[in-house]
Amino acid sequence: NAGVTQTPKFQVLKTGQSMTLQCAQDMNHNSMYWYRQDPGMGLRLIYYSASEGTTDKGEVPNGYNVSRLNKREFSLRLESAAPSQTSVYFCASSGRGMNTEAFFGQGTRLTVV
Amino acid sequence: SQELEQSPQSLIVQEGKNLTINCTSSKTLYGLYWYKQKYGEGLIFLMMLQKGGEEKSHEKITAKLDEKKQQSSLHITASQPSHAGIYLCGAGPTSGSRLTFGEGTQLTVNP
Repeated sequence: NAGVTQTPKFQVLKTGQSMTLQCAQDMNHNSMYWYRQDPGMGLRLIYYSASEGTTDKGEVPNGYNVSRLNKREFSLRLESAAPSQTSVYFCASSGRGMNTEAFFGQGTRLTVV
Repeated sequence: SQELEQSPQSLIVQEGKNLTINCTSSKTLYGLYWYKQKYGEGLIFLMMLQKGGEEKSHEKITAKLDEKKQQSSLHITASQPSHAGIYLCGAGPTSGSRLTFGEGTQLTVNP
């Protein structure tokens, strides 16, 4: 079972370049999330999607856009990468209803130089 | 939004010692999750607590949610090097559609 799959695993960008991080889940989950993780900061929510067709801002949305392409896929786009966006990015998904466990992808390590 | 504060931020213990990690919420918790992360890897679900006073155990790890549902503790008995990693508490205000996390606790277990 694949669970949550993120691509790519590693990426180096130059300042100003754009890229899209892909995320797909095969668990028929309604909710999907994008987080970034920085040393000493835990996981900070960038955007989330409670269901197909809806997206909402999290704690740190500036500089990012998202697309909930269908129920399976939730992509994160950096239009003009900045060094401050160097981080590890995690995608997660969870089912509908009160307090269901969230499943995480393996992460994308992004460096912006 | 719900804010979660974890303590301590880092912890170094000798193998065999017991330890406790705390997670305090700024609002009532409707569900509290504990995850473990090894460096450079994704998060592994440990357990979820919902009811005030609830306690769950998995192998040598026990988590509790206090009666007022604003604090949780994670206790490891007889720690082993395999317990090393980052422990994160997470919470969603209602249906989990805005799942947020604490800053994490870095645990090192020395053999």
